[in-house]
Formats: sequence, C-alpha cells, structure tokens
Amino acid sequence: QVQLVESGGGVVQSGRSLRLSCVGSGFTFSGYAMRWVRQPPGKGLEWVTNLSYDGSKKYYADSVKGRFTISRDNSKNTMYLQMDSLRPEDTAVYFCAREGAPDSSSWFAFEYWGQGTLVTVSS
Amino acid sequence: QSALTQPASVSGSPGQSITVSCTGTSSDVGAYNYVSWYQQHPGKAPKLMIYDVSNRRSGVSNRFSGSKSGNTASLTISGLQAEDEADYYCSSYTSSDTWVFGGGTRLTVL
Repeated sequence: QVQLVESGGGVVQSGRSLRLSCVGSGFTFSGYAMRWVRQPPGKGLEWVTNLSYDGSKKYYADSVKGRFTISRDNSKNTMYLQMDSLRPEDTAVYFCAREGAPDSSSWFAFEYWGQGTLVTVSS
Repeated sequence: QSALTQPASVSGSPGQSITVSCTGTSSDVGAYNYVSWYQQHPGKAPKLMIYDVSNRRSGVSNRFSGSKSGNTASLTISGLQAEDEADYYCSSYTSSDTWVFGGGTRLTVL
C-alpha cells in the first residue's frame, strides 16, 4: 500500500533553516508529482509547493516563494523541502502528499498524505 | 492566492443532510472542474473524499456527493452519521498552476 513518511521537523529559531524529507513507498515514486501542504496549529490547510515527477517543474505559494525549495531524489524515493529564512508564521504541521492517478482519482487531487511533521519557529 | 471561502461550521442531526459551500473565483473554482474535498479528523492527515467536483474516491460512501455552479462548489453529506463529524476542506487547481484550499468547515453531528 502507498505510504508517505515525513521527517525533519523540529524547533528552530527565526531566520534559520530546516530541511524536511518525505519517503514514499508502495508505488513508483518517479512516476508521480509530489506536494507539500502545511497546517498551522488549529488552522486550515495551505498548499505550499508542487514538484513534477521528474523534478523539472516547481511551483510555490507566494508565502514561501524565494525562501523554500522543493526537490526530489527518485533513486531514493525521497522528496525534500529546504526551508530557509524561517519565520514564526511558518510554524505548522507539514504534510507531504502525492498527486492522484487517472485510474483512481485525478492528477489535480491530493490522493495520498503522510502523517505530517511539526515545524516550530521561535522568535 | 486567497483561500477559498467556506462556512466555519455546519451542523446536523443523524440521518439529516448538510451542504458545505466553497466559493472561489473565475481563476480557480470557476475556471476548472478540478475541485476536490478532504475530510480531516482531529490529529489525523486529510483524506481525499471527492475529486474533479463530483467523483467519489473508491471506498467513500455514496452519502458523500459534490457539485459545482459557477464559482461555487458544494459538498453534500446525506444520512449524517456520527463518524462524519470532522473538518472538511475544499481545494481547487488555479490558473497560475497552483492550488488553493478553503479555510475549512467543522461539521458537528448533533
């Protein structure tokens, strides 16, 4: 079965950096676009970034553009989120998600989700 | 990239039906049939329920249905059950090749 496992969260001071990882299993990792979605404590979901299956196309929310970088290593079935110049408002649970497949949902849906990793940015 | 607009909360009694609205713009909800709906129980990851406006994911109860008119999408849950109590989020692909979520709606089953 499809599994996504995030890691790398923790407490970091404002202005510092952190790198999150997401390992996928149970599917052909190199065949799917991957995404990050975050959720501040007690608040709603926010799409953060999307990376195409081959790493060639990247899209970012305005709130993180220029500070966050998404990447992947398909040989390791792993996606990364490099977060620089962190701010207190970046405090959230960060979920990785996989795009849907045409035979089960939609490329435009977030079909599978990890359990999330908490990032806390202190001021 | 403004969030889609959802009511903060809705409620209903077991067996009743409720509808959650999700209002966007002509650049997101109104532009494409790529609206999806997610259910999230406390402390859990979101779960895809509906994709492409009205398609139920395999395994999702047929009590869940989706629709869209203009810039507003809707999720309807019929025959409310206690386990439906959760937060619900809509999401839409946008003309900027990005995604936007709604602010979320807390469903309370009375």
